[in-house]
Amino acid sequence: NAGVTQTPKFQVLKTGQSMTLQCAQDMNHNSMYWYRQDPGMGLRLIYYSASEGTTDKGEVPNGYNVSRLNKREFSLRLESAAPSQTSVYFCASSEGLAGVREFFGPGTRLTVL
Amino acid sequence: QKEVEQNSGPLSVPEGAIASLNCTYSDRGSQSFFWYRQYSGKSPELIMFIYSNGDKEDGRFTAQLNKASQYVSLLIRDSQPSDSATYLCAVNPTGGGNKLTFGTGTQLKVEL
Repeated sequence: NAGVTQTPKFQVLKTGQSMTLQCAQDMNHNSMYWYRQDPGMGLRLIYYSASEGTTDKGEVPNGYNVSRLNKREFSLRLESAAPSQTSVYFCASSEGLAGVREFFGPGTRLTVL
Repeated sequence: QKEVEQNSGPLSVPEGAIASLNCTYSDRGSQSFFWYRQYSGKSPELIMFIYSNGDKEDGRFTAQLNKASQYVSLLIRDSQPSDSATYLCAVNPTGGGNKLTFGTGTQLKVEL
């Protein structure tokens, strides 16, 4: 039982490049989330998926897209990376109502030059 | 006004003391409240959640909720150096559905 896994762990991009961050959970959770964490800003929700087949915007969705591929997987795509997207990205999942037994993945540290 | 506010710290306490971490929130209708611990370079880990006014105890941790005053606190008894971390307060606001709003966290340092 791996919990929530994220790939890659580290990534360096040049401005304008694209990439997809992958997230998978093996706990049969309905809800999945993407957050970014910046110094002094705390965790901010980018997108979330309440259940398979649904996605919705969070607090800071601009510049990102998501796909809930199936119940296990929730990916985050940066179409044209910008230096402002340099951050640590966390994926999380929960059984249902946010925060009840919510589990976070190990994070992806992204640097955009 | 931020929706969830925490003092960034650092809060320094001696080993064995009680650490008191506080959080205030702006949405009076919020129903669910959570405390996460985050070690440097690691992901957040849920340590407590509370829904009702009053205290909820789990081992050395006690969460306290006062909805009338709109604050939630976390007490850590017999603080240990291993408790040194950043503690994040999170709130599920009114109509928030499956979304949480996080505070920026309080850094706790437990000194020998």
